[in-house]
Amino acid sequence: DAGVTQSPTHLIKTRGQQVTLRCSPKSGHDTVSWYQQALGQGPQFIFQYYEEEERQRGNFPDRFSGHQFPNYSSELNVNALLLGDSALYLCASMKGGASYEQYFGPGTRLTVT
Amino acid sequence: QQQVKQSPQSLIVQKGGISIINCAYENTAFDYFPWYQQFPGKGPALLIAIRPDVSEKKEGRFTISFNKSAKQFSLHIMDSQPGDSATYFCAASKEEYGNKLVFGAGTILRVKS
Repeated sequence: DAGVTQSPTHLIKTRGQQVTLRCSPKSGHDTVSWYQQALGQGPQFIFQYYEEEERQRGNFPDRFSGHQFPNYSSELNVNALLLGDSALYLCASMKGGASYEQYFGPGTRLTVT
Repeated sequence: QQQVKQSPQSLIVQKGGISIINCAYENTAFDYFPWYQQFPGKGPALLIAIRPDVSEKKEGRFTISFNKSAKQFSLHIMDSQPGDSATYFCAASKEEYGNKLVFGAGTILRVKS
């Protein structure tokens, strides 16, 4: 049973560019959340997708957007990258409505230069 | 009211000793309190979690103690081992908020052999 998978593992981008990160949830899970973890800090909630709709959103600007596909996989898009967007981006999945447990993927390390 | 405060920031424990990490929350609406373990370069792994209707939960060497009136909860690692050296995060969530996790700042645990 595959856990949460994310791609790519590492990414280097230049200020002003756009980036797309991908996540496949754990088998049987239908809800995907994205978190940003800056170095030395706890993860911060970006948004959550359920039934292909954004259900909850944290305190992140509109430059951060996402999408969920019919197979429950998800993408995180960040436009107009800033140096401060450099972080580990984590995807977590859960079985909506049936459990509180959220399982995280290994993350994508984004470096903006 | 969304904050979760975690202490200490770092902790050094001798092998075989007890590691204790504390967290405090403000929002009494939170109804799920997990602990995550994170190794360098990896995503957080769900360790153990508790709901507010119980005061203690034990799984192997890991125990959560929960004090609802004080709005505090703690993680106890018994017989700490060098392999337990990692960063530990407490978190809290509420079903009404889509179970988005609010994380503490993390505790870096080092177990000396």
